[in-house]
Amino acid sequence: EADIYQTPRYLVIGTGKKITLECSQTMGHDKMYWYQQDPGMELHLIHYSYGVNSTEKGDLSSESTVSRIRTEHFPLTLESARPSHTSQYLCASSGRGPNYGYTFGSGTRLTVV
Amino acid sequence: AQSVAQPEDQVNVAEGNPLTVKCTYSVSGNPYLFWYVQYPNRGLQFLLKYITGDNLVKGSYGFEAEFNKSQTSFHLKKPSALVSDSALYFCAVSPSDYKLSFGAGTTVTVRA
Repeated sequence: EADIYQTPRYLVIGTGKKITLECSQTMGHDKMYWYQQDPGMELHLIHYSYGVNSTEKGDLSSESTVSRIRTEHFPLTLESARPSHTSQYLCASSGRGPNYGYTFGSGTRLTVV
Repeated sequence: AQSVAQPEDQVNVAEGNPLTVKCTYSVSGNPYLFWYVQYPNRGLQFLLKYITGDNLVKGSYGFEAEFNKSQTSFHLKKPSALVSDSALYFCAVSPSDYKLSFGAGTTVTVRA
């Protein structure tokens, strides 16, 4: 039973298109995160949010943007997709206090052709 | 700044043998330590965590991990590995600012 949902699971789009990757969680978590991961490789934090109207850039520079208008929703947008954006994007959320750990979505695998 | 090192890119074991996946960490203050597993084309699944208390932590699917403060290590172990344990394993650490830092991952292959 998934408490954090990512759509779409797979996406193939052309260069220059604008796309939004959706992430929603039903746990009421304050904190949400976006990670970028190449297949079988390490995770890189690209964005995070500690609550509504709070967004911060992560450790890895990314051309994407995020918004947090509602607690449960944390979409990621690419204004103009490029082949270098081809990757897997993982969304996660966590509750109050660092001891809660993260709950991850199933990911969106993006291919830009 | 915190960091995690997983010194082995790959671990290969035979089914039924003990499995160990190594992790060392660096963090200011008391560490919050986690292990996650990732199966192909999926997100990460939580296995276990150490916050405080007993140094030996038991988690899902028969896994356990031992926190060793003097060696700054948090190795993942399973007494008898299964073929279905073949996956990518990530160690992670968090200080008080809640952001988890992940290791590079270790690919575990259990052969029948």
